[in-house]
Amino acid sequence: NAGVTQTPKFRVLKTGQSMTLLCAQDMNHEYMYWYRQDPGMGLRLIHYSVGEGTTAKGEVPDGYNVSRLKKQNFLLGLESAAPSQTSVYFCASSRRAYSNQPQHFGDGTRLSIL
Amino acid sequence: DAKTTQPNSMESNEEEPVHLPCNHSTISGTDYIHWYRQLPSQGPEYVIHGLTSNVNNRMASLAIAEDRKSSTLILHRATLRDAAVYYCILSSYDKVIFGPGTSLSVIP
Repeated sequence: NAGVTQTPKFRVLKTGQSMTLLCAQDMNHEYMYWYRQDPGMGLRLIHYSVGEGTTAKGEVPDGYNVSRLKKQNFLLGLESAAPSQTSVYFCASSRRAYSNQPQHFGDGTRLSIL
Repeated sequence: DAKTTQPNSMESNEEEPVHLPCNHSTISGTDYIHWYRQLPSQGPEYVIHGLTSNVNNRMASLAIAEDRKSSTLILHRATLRDAAVYYCILSSYDKVIFGPGTSLSVIP
């Protein structure tokens, strides 16, 4: 069982470059989420999606865009990377609204921006 | 926004029970209490969640105070594999907030 798969696992970018992080889940979950985790801190929600074709802002959405064109995929884009976006990015999914559903997390993408 | 407060770190001896506390004095009636744990270089892993009643599963037990302003995650017999950061979070329909968590060390 793959669960939640994130690609790539590691990436180094230069300031101003763009990239897309891919999250794929094979559990037919409706809800998907993108978080970032900075050293010594908990996770902060960037954007989330409650179903195919929908997206919504989380706690720290600035500098990121997302798309959910297919139910199983949730993409996180950085249009112009900044050093402040150096972080570990986690994707998660849940069957329904996460208030009463466990979230299933991927193993993260470690992103460094020079 | 409702927040949680946890000790920064705790230690436990292997094979002994561990009680991880969490305070959430501003919890609202619709907030569920979730616990996750995170091993080094991995994503968070779901442990348990509840609303008002105590909950048990194969991993742990969750004890929720009657006024819901605090809760305790109970690991019945700590193993070395339980060494991780444990997050207590409150989850409502459109919000979930992670704090810095409790780093649990298990001593052989």
